[in-house]
Amino acid sequence: NAGVMQNPRHLVRRRGQEARLRCSPMKGHSHVYWYRQLPEEGLKFMVYLQKENIIDESGMPKERFSAEFPKEGPSILRIQQVVRGDSAAYFCASSPASGGSAGELFFGEGSRLTVL
Amino acid sequence: GNSVTQMEGPVTLSEEAFLTINCTYTATGYPSLFWYVQYPGEGLQLLLKATKADDKGSNKGFEATYRKETTSFHLEKGSVQVSDSAVYFCALSEGNTPLVFGKGTRLSVIA
Repeated sequence: NAGVMQNPRHLVRRRGQEARLRCSPMKGHSHVYWYRQLPEEGLKFMVYLQKENIIDESGMPKERFSAEFPKEGPSILRIQQVVRGDSAAYFCASSPASGGSAGELFFGEGSRLTVL
Repeated sequence: GNSVTQMEGPVTLSEEAFLTINCTYTATGYPSLFWYVQYPGEGLQLLLKATKADDKGSNKGFEATYRKETTSFHLEKGSVQVSDSAVYFCALSEGNTPLVFGKGTRLSVIA
């Protein structure tokens, strides 16, 4: 009974490198959300995707960040040329295509990015 | 836009004490309201929810009532345990918009 799977759980990058975070939603879920949690802060919405479509990216920084959810395979959050301020926990969540409880999301355990 | 404000922590309580974590919201319409819990090193889990005014959500001894007149959704538990130590997030969802979270309240329960 696999839940939302994220990998890697921990990632260390040097400034200027690229970070790729992967998320496999729960079985039967076709909606994926990415949130960022900075130290001692709440979760900030970044992007909402369905298969092959970005639905809402209003929380994504304008530069260096991108996300995709291809027809096959996991969703990817990509951060290019990382800076120290990108250090955070990145959480992926999924929800069913239709039905289910309004607004209820199922979260992965997060990917913790550390930029040296 | 929609927003959630919850009391700042950390909150430290002795075992069996009464817990209240305040949460108020701002929304343009009629949102659904949620409490999520995050245990150390884990992702968020849904604790309880309420989808309309005067609904009471409850789970694991926790309760929260959707109060439209005061735009509040305070979390309560009559007797906390050490295992309740976690960060609690109040959140709202309206229509098709993604969940909006408060900043979280860290609860520490000591034996």
